[in-house]
Amino acid sequence: RKEVEQDPGPFNVPEGATVAFNCTYSNSASQSFFWYRQDCRKEPKLLMSVYSSGNEDGRFTAQLNRASQYISLLIRDSKLSDSATYLCVVSLSGGYNKLIFGAGTRLAVHP
Amino acid sequence: GAGVSQSPRYKVAKRGQDVALRCDPISGHVSLFWYQQALGQGPEFLTYFQNEAQLDKSGLPSDRFFAERPEGSVSTLKIQRTQQEDSAVYLCASSLYGEFETQYFGPGTRLLVL
Repeated sequence: RKEVEQDPGPFNVPEGATVAFNCTYSNSASQSFFWYRQDCRKEPKLLMSVYSSGNEDGRFTAQLNRASQYISLLIRDSKLSDSATYLCVVSLSGGYNKLIFGAGTRLAVHP
Repeated sequence: GAGVSQSPRYKVAKRGQDVALRCDPISGHVSLFWYQQALGQGPEFLTYFQNEAQLDKSGLPSDRFFAERPEGSVSTLKIQRTQQEDSAVYLCASSLYGEFETQYFGPGTRLLVL
């Protein structure tokens, strides 16, 4: 079983739609949680960290449920420029940030 | 400011050849990571340096993979006797220090082994 599991998609949505991605992680010792965005043939870039209380950054909302070991990302009012692969990422504590990535969920926003 | 740079951006190797991939982290960044990303997958951790010390090499797939960072800045990932399964994008990331610092990724080296 993979340490971080995501629905690979693709999610094909029209502009303006709301879309939600889910992710589960297997290691209960995971301490830090992130969503990264990766455009085709580019490097991953941090989209946002995910906090236990949930957090929002503009059109993006992230939620964490430690009891269920579940992370989510909600994108409201989708834009064409949101088309990318969204990577769910966790790290364990221990002095350095060894990132464990899911395989990613592909999002395609169409006009 | 300058980000993480990697070279070469693309490398084609014949099976059995040795390759060396270079990473220039952001200046002053103490932590440096190497990841391997196979097609359609997320990046997978290979190894971690804190300055010149290689503190974690648990992700290196075999003893054909070797990484170094002798002066605590530039790092090289070397793959000996390349195999077709080594074909992947090799990503380098750096962060200012450690646990709670954001990692910044380089553009990667796309390695194709024929």
